[in-house]
Amino acid sequence: DTAVSQTPKYLVTQMGNDKSIKCEQNLGHDTMYWYKQDSKKFLKIMFSYNNKELIINETVPNRFSPKSPDKAHLNLHINSLELGDSAVYFCASRQDLWGVGGYTFGSGTRLTVV
Amino acid sequence: GESVGLHLPTLSVQEGDNSIINCAYSNSASDYFIWYKQESGKGPQFIIDIRSNMDKRQGQRVTVLLNKTVKHLSLQIAATQPGDSAVYFCAENAPSGSRLTFGEGTQLTVNP
Repeated sequence: DTAVSQTPKYLVTQMGNDKSIKCEQNLGHDTMYWYKQDSKKFLKIMFSYNNKELIINETVPNRFSPKSPDKAHLNLHINSLELGDSAVYFCASRQDLWGVGGYTFGSGTRLTVV
Repeated sequence: GESVGLHLPTLSVQEGDNSIINCAYSNSASDYFIWYKQESGKGPQFIIDIRSNMDKRQGQRVTVLLNKTVKHLSLQIAATQPGDSAVYFCAENAPSGSRLTFGEGTQLTVNP
């Protein structure tokens, strides 16, 4: 059983399109995150939700909109895709905001905008 | 073999050698640190963690050392194996706890 699952694993789309990436965790964790990993492997936080509440919203274009219908799901919708959005997007979960413990990551979604 | 952290993001070692991967963290208030391993095409995986009230912690073939004075973290891998080839990240957690901040990764390549 996959703990944190993301779909799709690969996404190739044209500039200007709108796309969504889905994430689900079955760990019973309260907190979920979206990270973007660039071509140099740097992991940068985008958003964090705790029990469906937005906690972290880094300097991300408002074309990116996260949605958390329940604490087990955190989806990422991207409008008007641009070439610079090409990256690997990772979803992660954590037991809660304040406890010790690392993240459990999904396997990533490689987004390619052409 | 040993990396010099942020200025040398690649480390190449021979199978069976010991590896040392270094990380300089940024926030002197950080109280919890984690090392992650990311294999090609996969998400980062937890390797070992350490709290700021410790300066050393050992796992299976891995040891993490923490030097708070100079804000330095290292990961030592004993008897490195080809399966250890991956990108390794350190991450720090500030007392506010709401996020992990990741360092620049180090690509470890193990030559048979």
